[in-house]
Amino acid sequence: EPEVTQTPSHQVTQMGQEVILRCVPISNHLYFYWYRQILGQKVEFLVSFYNNEISEKSEIFDDQFSVERPDGSNFTLKIRSTKLEDSAMYFCASSEPILPGQGNNQPQHFGDGTRLSIL
Amino acid sequence: SQQGEEDPQALSIQEGENATMNCSYKTSINNLQWYRQNSGRGLVHLILIRSNEREKHSGRLRVTLDTSKKSSSLLITASRAADTASYFCATDRNQFYFGTGTSLTVIP
Repeated sequence: EPEVTQTPSHQVTQMGQEVILRCVPISNHLYFYWYRQILGQKVEFLVSFYNNEISEKSEIFDDQFSVERPDGSNFTLKIRSTKLEDSAMYFCASSEPILPGQGNNQPQHFGDGTRLSIL
Repeated sequence: SQQGEEDPQALSIQEGENATMNCSYKTSINNLQWYRQNSGRGLVHLILIRSNEREKHSGRLRVTLDTSKKSSSLLITASRAADTASYFCATDRNQFYFGTGTSLTVIP
């Protein structure tokens, strides 16, 4: 069964450094997402991406964050000037096309996440 | 806030028993989805129920939706040790909101 893969599984970075988290979504999916889960807390939506542009973003997703689909397979999340509070699990997800006017009506397929530790 | 909120926060049952988890949300929705998360892993989609549906089944899972009460329940019948995980409901408008989850422990 196709799956979403994320690399690395664990990233340790010094505070203030930039980090890029990588994801390979399921190949025929067109919608891509990043979520964050701080230890012991809920999964928080960061951003959704469709047709090579951001379709939705949360208030967490400020100028420190950016996303990119540099080629036909990868989907990346860049975090600039990392802070201690950026330490979390970051999950990538993808889904099939969403039918217009019916909300988020497709299952999302998640990777196993990248654990980001900021020192 | 749109977020779904699950209760109970934690549930411990014996293998073979049924487990019921509830989700409440605050504003109108198009769809509600239930996901499972095993420790240290990503979320796995279980079932989607649309706002015009009242009940849906998938194997040992039964989901109900009451839009008048803005609530949903997930029933797992004949639980197994492998069902031990956290369970989340997710509601939508344009973004996707997850609740805080119910941590289910099934004791063999």
